[in-house]
Amino acid sequence: DAMVIQNPRYQVTQFGKPVTLSCSQTLNHNVMYWYQQKSSQAPKLLFHYYDKDFNNEADTPDNFQSRRPNTSFCFLDIRSPGLGDAAMYLCATSRAGGVNIQYFGAGTRLSVL
Amino acid sequence: RKEVEQDPGPFNVPEGATVAFNCTYSNSASQSFFWYRQDCRKEPKLLMSVYSSGNEDGRFTAQLNRASQYISLLIRDSKLSDSATYLCVVNPTGTASKLTFGTGTRLQVTL
Repeated sequence: DAMVIQNPRYQVTQFGKPVTLSCSQTLNHNVMYWYQQKSSQAPKLLFHYYDKDFNNEADTPDNFQSRRPNTSFCFLDIRSPGLGDAAMYLCATSRAGGVNIQYFGAGTRLSVL
Repeated sequence: RKEVEQDPGPFNVPEGATVAFNCTYSNSASQSFFWYRQDCRKEPKLLMSVYSSGNEDGRFTAQLNRASQYISLLIRDSKLSDSATYLCVVNPTGTASKLTFGTGTRLQVTL
């Protein structure tokens, strides 16, 4: 059974139309991450939560926001998607302390028309 | 210089061949190292952690050379199902919750 679940798997939105991607986990991990991955590129960390503490990467555009209402769920909000935001968005979790092994969801592939 | 560098490939090898990938990292104080596998249009999945003493898991062997700041992955007796992109991943020191990913090396195993 999937332990990190992302919905939807595919999302099509229009230029400038807000979109929300969701991630849930059954691992009870205290750290959750959002990555953006474009074709033939490395996953790029957007932000992560250590419990409720939000950590934004310096180069993450303001257009991207996140919410973590509880341990199990995390959301990625893209306020005004541009064509350059079309990508695979990956959610991952890890347990803090020790070796940082991250477990990924299957991803949401976002298309912007 | 990129934090984690890999040869993007592709490496095209016949079934049964042995293939090796290398990866270099720039932060000499990096603490943890991993190889992840990513199939086309799928999520990355942990293949193996890389330990200082080197470690083996079946047909896969990982090595770490701290002095030269590189990590290697050796795949013996390649299978068609090994075709994927292999991501070199480093946990830089001082950023306990973060990982830095390489762009990956693509492997294509053929009949």
